[in-house]
Amino acid sequence: NAGVTQTPKFRVLKTGQSMTLLCAQDMNHEYMYWYRQDPGMGLRLIHYSVGEGTTAKGEVPDGYNVSRLKKQNFLLGLESAAPSQTSVYFCASSYGGYSNQPQHFGDGTRLSIL
Amino acid sequence: QQQVKQSPQSLIVQKGGISIINCAYENTAFDYFPWYQQFPGKGPALLIAIRPDVSEKKEGRFTISFNKSAKQFSLHIMDSQPGDSATYFCAAVTSGTYKYIFGTGTRLKVLA
Repeated sequence: NAGVTQTPKFRVLKTGQSMTLLCAQDMNHEYMYWYRQDPGMGLRLIHYSVGEGTTAKGEVPDGYNVSRLKKQNFLLGLESAAPSQTSVYFCASSYGGYSNQPQHFGDGTRLSIL
Repeated sequence: QQQVKQSPQSLIVQKGGISIINCAYENTAFDYFPWYQQFPGKGPALLIAIRPDVSEKKEGRFTISFNKSAKQFSLHIMDSQPGDSATYFCAAVTSGTYKYIFGTGTRLKVLA
């Protein structure tokens, strides 16, 4: 069982470069999420999607864009990377939007912006 | 801004001891409180969760205690083991919002 798979696992970028982080889930989940994890700040929601073709802003959306063209994939884009975007990025998915349907996380993408 | 305050930031416990991590919230609309466990290099994984209509939930060595009037909940790890060494996050969510509000995490180290 793959669950939630994130690629790449590590990446170093220069300021101003762009890149896309890919998240794929094989659990047929409707809901998908992108978080960033920073020391002492826990997990903060960047963007989320409640179904194929839908996206919505989370707590810290500035500087990021997302797309959900296929149900199983959720892409996070950085158009012009900034050092403040150095972080560990986690993708998660859940079956539905009810609070008792747990979110399943990938193992993260560690991104450094120089 | 909705917040969940988690303490302590780090915790060191001897093998066999009890680990206690506390969380407090403000928004009374929260109605589901999960705890996630994260090992280094891995994503968080659901450990145990509770709803506010019960005061305690136990799964093996892990227990959540919930105090609705104080708006606090805590994770107790009994007979702590070195394999429990991880970062623990509490969270809170309101039904229908599917937006988890996470605490800042507690790094637990259990000494052998």
